[in-house]
Amino acid sequence: EPEVTQTPSHQVTQMGQEVILRCVPISNHLYFYWYRQILGQKVEFLVSFYNNEISEKSEIFDDQFSVERPDGSNFTLKIRSTKLEDSAMYFCASSEHFAFTGSNEQFFGPGTRLTVL
Amino acid sequence: QKEVEQNSGPLSVPEGAIASLNCTYSDRGSQSFFWYRQYSGKSPELIMFIYSNGDKEDGRFTAQLNKASQYVSLLIRDSQPSDSATYLCAVKGGGADGLTFGKGTHLIIQP
Repeated sequence: EPEVTQTPSHQVTQMGQEVILRCVPISNHLYFYWYRQILGQKVEFLVSFYNNEISEKSEIFDDQFSVERPDGSNFTLKIRSTKLEDSAMYFCASSEHFAFTGSNEQFFGPGTRLTVL
Repeated sequence: QKEVEQNSGPLSVPEGAIASLNCTYSDRGSQSFFWYRQYSGKSPELIMFIYSNGDKEDGRFTAQLNKASQYVSLLIRDSQPSDSATYLCAVKGGGADGLTFGKGTHLIIQP
């Protein structure tokens, strides 16, 4: 069964460093998302991406964050200058195109645990 | 500010019984409603989705939606110890909207 994959599973970085988290969405999906979950808290939406551009973003997704689809398979989240409070699980998700399939369920990858020291 | 409210629990249910999980949401423009299961340290796993008022059944799971009351529920029949997890309610508007999640209900199925 197709699944979303993410690398690395765990990233440790120093405060102020740049990190790039990588995701490979399900191959026929057209919508891509990033979420984060701080330990013990709820899952929070960061950004959605469709047709090579950002569709929606939350207040969390400030200028320190950027997303990119550098090729036909990868979807990345970059944090330019990490802060201690960026420590969280980051989940990538993808979904089909609702207008084509009537389906907009989002399937999540296993996540990347980011630890900022 | 979109809000999704869930009772955090823990909700303890005997094995074989029906577990009932509830969720309310604030945004009347929400169009799609989802239940995810999350085991500790793992990612959310989609178990049910519902778009229209009424009930939707899939195996041991039934999702119920009442848009007038802004209420979503999940029933798990014949609960098994493996159903012990945190259940996340999530709602979504149209297009490329992200999901708004509740904090989740911690369900414990007692053997």
